[in-house]
Amino acid sequence: SAVISQKPSRDICQRGTSLTIQCQVDSQVTMMFWYRQQPGQSLTLIATANQGSEATYESGFVIDKFPISRPNLTFSTLTVSNMSPEDSSIYLCSVETGQGGEQYFGPGTRLTVT
Amino acid sequence: AQSVTQLGSHVSVSEGALVLLRCNYSSSVPPYLFWYVQYPNQGLQLLLKYTSAATLVKGINGFEAEFKKSETSFHLTKPSAHMSDAAEYFCAVSDQTGANNLFFGTGTRLTVIP
Repeated sequence: SAVISQKPSRDICQRGTSLTIQCQVDSQVTMMFWYRQQPGQSLTLIATANQGSEATYESGFVIDKFPISRPNLTFSTLTVSNMSPEDSSIYLCSVETGQGGEQYFGPGTRLTVT
Repeated sequence: AQSVTQLGSHVSVSEGALVLLRCNYSSSVPPYLFWYVQYPNQGLQLLLKYTSAATLVKGINGFEAEFKKSETSFHLTKPSAHMSDAAEYFCAVSDQTGANNLFFGTGTRLTVIP
């Protein structure tokens, strides 16, 4: 397993601004993922963040809106840019430890855009 | 492509009664299957996983799930519900080709009635 922390845990932001969410893992992992969970809905994968290469984005998500950094094997950031109320969601990072395909999730960042 | 369908967005059971949460999957390759639980205002916690070993998988907190290939199902059960089981439950699938992406169902909210 892995222990994952995220900062901030929650934030209220004004439209048009940007927020950077940090994800820290207690061990080195190859695969890190960023998900969005809109109110009352399931998780949608935004992108996969691999160290040493550009993130791979899923359909409907673009780098200009959700730039991702992965400077090392224990850390990643997701920026939500030029926010609108539609970006209000919980953003979760996860890691895949290579021991059977399961992912371990951080506690999430609850974002409200006003 | 992989997908999961969770039948019943809300399930209510009495304390001490059987818990049954349904999940059917679609996969063109042998799948990995997972159940996650999300308590209010928390991230996702892995309950159990199926990775092509035993078809009956035991997880944490007394939960178990049975992989039935003929029915393409992976239903989650617990013999006796506790009040602390009230949460959102997500079924997820990934393939074994190394893509590592998890595809989540829409979730089932379990309510336990005292």
